[in-house]
Amino acid sequence: AQKVTQAQTEISVVEKEDVTLDCVYETRDTTYYLFWYKQPPSGELVFLIRRNSFDEQNEISGRYSWNFQKSTSSFNFTITASQVVDSAVYFCALSEAGDMRFGAGTRLTVKP
Amino acid sequence: GAGVSQTPSNKVTEKGKYVELRCDPISGHTALYWYRQSLGQGPEFLIYFQGTGAADDSGLPNDRFFAVRPEGSVSTLKIQRTERGDSAVYLCASSLRPLGLAGGLGEQFFGPGTRLTVL
Repeated sequence: AQKVTQAQTEISVVEKEDVTLDCVYETRDTTYYLFWYKQPPSGELVFLIRRNSFDEQNEISGRYSWNFQKSTSSFNFTITASQVVDSAVYFCALSEAGDMRFGAGTRLTVKP
Repeated sequence: GAGVSQTPSNKVTEKGKYVELRCDPISGHTALYWYRQSLGQGPEFLIYFQGTGAADDSGLPNDRFFAVRPEGSVSTLKIQRTERGDSAVYLCASSLRPLGLAGGLGEQFFGPGTRLTVL
């Protein structure tokens, strides 16, 4: 069975600090996909990134970066120079075939 | 419309009643997904459609829950004999094609959800 663990329930940082959100997953498949979604206070989930299991290259998009390590089954998300607008709940998710299994989420609060 | 829409936005019902929740996916998206999100939790997968057929309904909690997508576009999630434990936000998402199919990037676009409260 596939499973996603986000051990950090809540994180609070001060603006401009860097912050890393952890994600550890379990799967028996060799082909799978990992995702990060953001859920701001408005409630709608916003797609951030997708990664397939064959591509372990780290990715950077502006202030966001992702570190995918199959050896530790982790897909961590780092926000550099955090901003108040980054405050949201962030979900890591795993998909093997069509469905999507989400972690419990990490609530990030960025204080001014 | 431009995005996934869900109606109603809020539904309050009494224990034992029947409810229907509607989802309008993005036009042209062949895959449609239903999730349930309880307070403080991540979305919980319920069912996923590819076209008109349910490709995976393993997340439906019991036989009180049923979903249809008769024409491959709009979907309705139906809950019979509602219970207080069914109270949650029900999310719908669509994607152009599901993961695994050619061109299926898997990016799911989510609707705003329907908040169901069972009294």
